[in-house]
Amino acid sequence: KAGVTQTPRYLIKTRGQQVTLSCSPISGHRSVSWYQQTPGQGLQFLFEYFSETQRNKGNFPGRFSGRQFSNSRSEMNVSTLELGDSALYLCASSLVQEGTEAFFGQGTRLTVV
Amino acid sequence: AQKVTQAQTEISVVEKEDVTLDCVYETRDTTYYLFWYKQPPSGELVFLIRRNSFDEQNEISGRYSWNFQKSTSSFNFTITASQVVDSAVYFCALSENTGTASKLTFGTGTRLQVTL
Repeated sequence: KAGVTQTPRYLIKTRGQQVTLSCSPISGHRSVSWYQQTPGQGLQFLFEYFSETQRNKGNFPGRFSGRQFSNSRSEMNVSTLELGDSALYLCASSLVQEGTEAFFGQGTRLTVV
Repeated sequence: AQKVTQAQTEISVVEKEDVTLDCVYETRDTTYYLFWYKQPPSGELVFLIRRNSFDEQNEISGRYSWNFQKSTSSFNFTITASQVVDSAVYFCALSENTGTASKLTFGTGTRLQVTL
């Protein structure tokens, strides 16, 4: 069974640009969550999508957005990139079932220069 | 607000030693789930164990064991007979509200270095 796949693995962007990251969940998993990991702030929840709807949202500015497609694949977009957006972005998928664990992808390492 | 504290920033042990990673949490929810994840250098978070708030029975799974104590809001994780491959950053996490894994609050992580 394939795991969570995130593309691309690495990205270098310039301040002010926008970026789109992609996540393909484990087959059968309909919940997809996104996390940002930085040395200073650690792992922080961005948002979660289920059935193409955003169900939960973390405390991030509106420059961070996402969407989910009918096949449960998800994308997140960051507009007007800032240097502080440099981070490892992790996607996780899970069953919509209480107590189940989330499975994470290897992440996309975004560097903003 | 939910909070997870991992006071140990870094631990170094020699192979075959036992090591315990500490985790203290705060939540107002009566139903919640706690998790331990491992992050090797490759970056992927690997699920290790979970425990729900109604089950304080401590268990052993291979070289892993955990000690969940609601009275002290602690969820400690022990690796017995550590191996070099155990070297990684370990995160304790708490689920919010619904108890699903869709929104986790993580601790700051404990870096474990196992040497020969």
